[in-house]
Amino acid sequence: QLRLHESGPGLVKPSETLSLTCTVSGGSNRMPTYHWAWIRQAPGKGLEWIGTVSNGGTTYYNLSLRSRVTISVDTSDDQFSLRLTSVTAADAATYYCASQHDPASAGLFDYWGRGRLVTVSS
Amino acid sequence: SYVLTQPPSVSVAPGKTATITCGGTNIGRKSVHWYQQKSGQAPGVVIFSDVGRPSAIPARFSGSNSGDTASLTISRVEAGDEGDYYCHVWDSAAVQAVFGGGTRLTVL
Repeated sequence: QLRLHESGPGLVKPSETLSLTCTVSGGSNRMPTYHWAWIRQAPGKGLEWIGTVSNGGTTYYNLSLRSRVTISVDTSDDQFSLRLTSVTAADAATYYCASQHDPASAGLFDYWGRGRLVTVSS
Repeated sequence: SYVLTQPPSVSVAPGKTATITCGGTNIGRKSVHWYQQKSGQAPGVVIFSDVGRPSAIPARFSGSNSGDTASLTISRVEAGDEGDYYCHVWDSAAVQAVFGGGTRLTVL
């Protein structure tokens, strides 16, 4: 089964850019069949989808975040990444990466990383 | 944008049946997935595509979806079923993934 692991800074200053990477293992030959997503969860709150990227680089973003978000994929390194610009305290959350079935087939998030807690503070 | 509505909390005695609802306009026309999140852990799939159940999930978990309401039913509830449950759909019109607000299941 796939394993996903988030990495990146756990502390970001206000107005700066949050950058996280998700490394996929345990079945990278299956990467071409998946899409890849970022989902976040503010402390004590529910899940919020950030966006999704296909292996071909097609992206889908949450409308409320799309002006600040970039998600990219590097299939040669079995990784995909998240960039979120101009962060504020409202962006403090645990960020999860997940594999996603083709959205045209209902887009199930079937494998999840353990999450990366990101704090926004100067 | 498409909205999914879940009750904030559901409480049930051990051995009884818990039903968690997920409301949305014509949700019966969409494919609904359910995730369980235990304290301090990442979410995991308990039901996919309305009624599908991953092999590791007990048969006590079942799903249904019709009209404006999808439901997750947990029979013979155990203490280990406590946690937060989220429904999820893909809104193809807006090209967005949508989560319900989550329901905290408490086993009394």
